[in-house]
Amino acid sequence: DIQMTQSPSSLSASVGDRVTITCRASQTISSYLNWYQQKPGKAPKLLIYAASSLQSGVPSRFSGSGSGTDFTLTLSSLQPEDFAIYYCQQNYITPYTFGQGTKLEIK
Amino acid sequence: EVQLVESGGGLVQPGGSLRLSCAASGFTFNSYNMNWVRQAPGTGLEWVSFISSGGSIIYYADSVRGRITISRDNAKNSLYLQMNSLRDDDTAVYYCARQISYTLDVWGQGTTVTVSS
Repeated sequence: DIQMTQSPSSLSASVGDRVTITCRASQTISSYLNWYQQKPGKAPKLLIYAASSLQSGVPSRFSGSGSGTDFTLTLSSLQPEDFAIYYCQQNYITPYTFGQGTKLEIK
Repeated sequence: EVQLVESGGGLVQPGGSLRLSCAASGFTFNSYNMNWVRQAPGTGLEWVSFISSGGSIIYYADSVRGRITISRDNAKNSLYLQMNSLRDDDTAVYYCARQISYTLDVWGQGTTVTVSS
């Protein structure tokens, strides 16, 4: 199975900050990498697909980059509604593994 | 509106069975591959199973293979997850999710399964 490792596991930041979350795959997954946001009691929401494509309706302050084994999710200017848990996921091959999540908290 | 609505969750004893359903609306269900993903309390997301649009290709996570069966009825726009021999560690919120290309783009709100005596 492909292991997905996110860092950091948690992050404290302030409104307006720029933050970056990284995700590393245990083997190459080309660009078959997605990012999801999850808020308490809610289903995950797709933010970024194919490593760098912004899902329709997602604000442009979210961006993704990377290919192969190393990927990043960047939030350019944090808004209050961005405090949540973020997961990366590879859809390259089953089992479609997720990272362990990064909890973004208000400083 | 594109929507997925899960149902069928509940409290079940270890060793018991449960059948989850996912009703799809707002899109051409038979054109999409579908998945189940679960989330145990306080933990991350775990992919459970995949079924192709026509139902001929199926994959399972090792943790559920042999105990869980995914199926779909395209005439009813519905996805199912038959769960047998349930264990404590199957306790989770179960989400159905639509797959487009290599992405899970639409998710249901989830249904909660609790395995406990």
